[in-house]
Amino acid sequence: QVQLVQSGAEVKKPGASVRVSCKSSGYTFTDYYMHWVRQAPGQGLEWMGWMNPNSGGTNYAQNFRGRVTMTRDTSITTAYMELRRLTSDDTAVYYCARDSGSTLYGTVFESWGQGALVTVSS
Amino acid sequence: DIQMTQSPSSLFASVGDRVAITCRASQSLDSHLNWYQQKPGRAPKLLIYAASSLQSGVPSRFSGSGSGADFTLTISSLQPEDFATYYCQQSYSTPLSFGGGTKVEIK
Repeated sequence: QVQLVQSGAEVKKPGASVRVSCKSSGYTFTDYYMHWVRQAPGQGLEWMGWMNPNSGGTNYAQNFRGRVTMTRDTSITTAYMELRRLTSDDTAVYYCARDSGSTLYGTVFESWGQGALVTVSS
Repeated sequence: DIQMTQSPSSLFASVGDRVAITCRASQSLDSHLNWYQQKPGRAPKLLIYAASSLQSGVPSRFSGSGSGADFTLTISSLQPEDFATYYCQQSYSTPLSFGGGTKVEIK
């Protein structure tokens, strides 16, 4: 079965960077786009962007361009999301989410990681 | 960018009730609309994709309808495990976007 296992909670100071990992198993890692979605405490879901694990290509939401980098290591089937220049507004749970791979229905988040809480505090 | 508006933002219901949640997009999505359920402290779970297709393993009391810009998620008979927050998500174009959520609470 598909499993996405994320790294643990992090506490960072304003201005720092954070890297969250997402270890995939149960499917061919390079066959499905990986997305990142975040959720601030008590708030809704915000899409951050996607990465094509086959080519390494990316597409970032405008709100995060210049501050986010999504990468992968295919040898260990792991995706990464790095966010730089953190502020308190970046305090959130960060999820990786695998696309269903359908070309008919657009992006459907079929499987999710368990989430990684990133707290930004001085 | 496509804006997604859900209503209501919260509702109170009893076990056995029929519940309907609506989602309106700022432009037509054809049928590129998905629904998720999220319980506290957990990741969202896919319920419905392509507006009306039931994800494998999801109980048949959940159904989706609509096309264009107006969509509805219906729970035919609310069960105790259905008390959660529900989100719609458009998959028509990037940036992908979600509705603000509907919290279903016990009356």
